[in-house]
Amino acid sequence: EVQLVESGGGLVQPGGSLRLSCAASGFTFSSYWMSWVRQAPGKGLEWVANIKQDGSEKYYVDSVKGRFTISRDNAKNSLYLQMNSLRAEDTAVYYCARGISSGSYWAYWGQGTLVTVSS
Amino acid sequence: EIVMTQSPATLSVSPGERATLSCRASQSVSSNLAWYQQKPGQAPRLLIYGASTRATGIPARFSGSGSGTEFTLTISSLQSEDFAVYYCQQYNNWPPGVTFGPGTKVDIK
Repeated sequence: EVQLVESGGGLVQPGGSLRLSCAASGFTFSSYWMSWVRQAPGKGLEWVANIKQDGSEKYYVDSVKGRFTISRDNAKNSLYLQMNSLRAEDTAVYYCARGISSGSYWAYWGQGTLVTVSS
Repeated sequence: EIVMTQSPATLSVSPGERATLSCRASQSVSSNLAWYQQKPGQAPRLLIYGASTRATGIPARFSGSGSGTEFTLTISSLQSEDFAVYYCQQYNNWPPGVTFGPGTKVDIK
């Protein structure tokens, strides 16, 4: 059974940093694109970042470019999101997600981890 | 960037009735469109991909249609567990990214 478990969320001040983790199990992690998708409270879904199987390609939504970094450790079956220079508008539940075959739509989601940026 | 719109914002339907949800893209996305269902406090659930292919385990009452810029999600006979928010998502330009519609809330009439 595919399982994705996020951790690392919490309350952080504007301008601060946070690192999210996603522990994957039940599948061959190194064979799949992985993604982060977020949802602000009471709002819709927003794709944040993608990373290729070997980490050689990474893509970001414009609003986080230069501030967020996606990475993975295939030996540890783990996905990460390093978030720097956080803003109030980054407040959201962050989901780790995996596609069926490609990384373009997602059949598997974690439970999400809440990031709150506030002073 | 491809902008996705959904209509209506809220759809009030009685159990057992048919629900028709619309999704429009600002430019053609071919058949590169997915639909998700999300209930409060839960992660999204993939319903449809490729505009019309049901994901594993999705009941046959859910169907998707359309191509290009106009898409429809139909729920043939609403069950109590179907009251939720539904999002469409295009992935025509993936990679790099994808965009979601703002969602349609289906609630009980």
